[in-house]
Amino acid sequence: NAGVTQTPKFQVLKTGQSMTLQCAQDMNHNSMYWYRQDPGMGLRLIYYSASEGTTDKGEVPNGYNVSRLNKREFSLRLESAAPSQTSVYFCASHGGRPYSNQPQHFGDGTRLSIL
Amino acid sequence: DQQVKQNSPSLSVQEGRISILNCDYTNSMFDYFLWYKKYPAEGPTFLISISSIKDKNEDGRFTVFLNKSAKHLSLHIVPSQPGDSAVYFCAASTLSGGSYIPTFGRGTSLIVHP
Repeated sequence: NAGVTQTPKFQVLKTGQSMTLQCAQDMNHNSMYWYRQDPGMGLRLIYYSASEGTTDKGEVPNGYNVSRLNKREFSLRLESAAPSQTSVYFCASHGGRPYSNQPQHFGDGTRLSIL
Repeated sequence: DQQVKQNSPSLSVQEGRISILNCDYTNSMFDYFLWYKKYPAEGPTFLISISSIKDKNEDGRFTVFLNKSAKHLSLHIVPSQPGDSAVYFCAASTLSGGSYIPTFGRGTSLIVHP
């Protein structure tokens, strides 16, 4: 019963390097999300995909790109990593109709440090 | 500007007593509220929710109260247990641009002492 799986769990990058964070869910959910959490901050939405084939910007999209590869997978890419992107990244999904009010299921996060 | 505020970064409670976690919001359009619980090195997990048409929702030891006029909600845990020690996030959402996207507070760290 995997739920939402994120890889890798930890990563250290140098400034300017690129990186793709992977997320997959096995619950047949339509909607998927990427958040970042910084110390003392809540979860801030980077991008979301309400359904396969669509993606939209969230609150803090600058410096990131996403791909909804298929219904299961939603990846987050940092093209040129910056120290300000040091954070814990969470992927989430929810079932029900797209755009419906449903609780989200979260992965366990990717801890990313950029030197 | 924060639309969802959890003004207490931490709360310490004795085992068996009541824990009350508070959350205030500013956007009167929010109509669905959720609480998530997060253990270290894990993702948040959904705990309980409430729609704006209700003022109370109960699930076992957990009760959420909503006061729409005050734009305030609270989570009550009775009785508190050491396993409840975690960070609790309040979230609020409304339909915007065709999507329900939750806005999260900064969290309250609850410590339940044996």
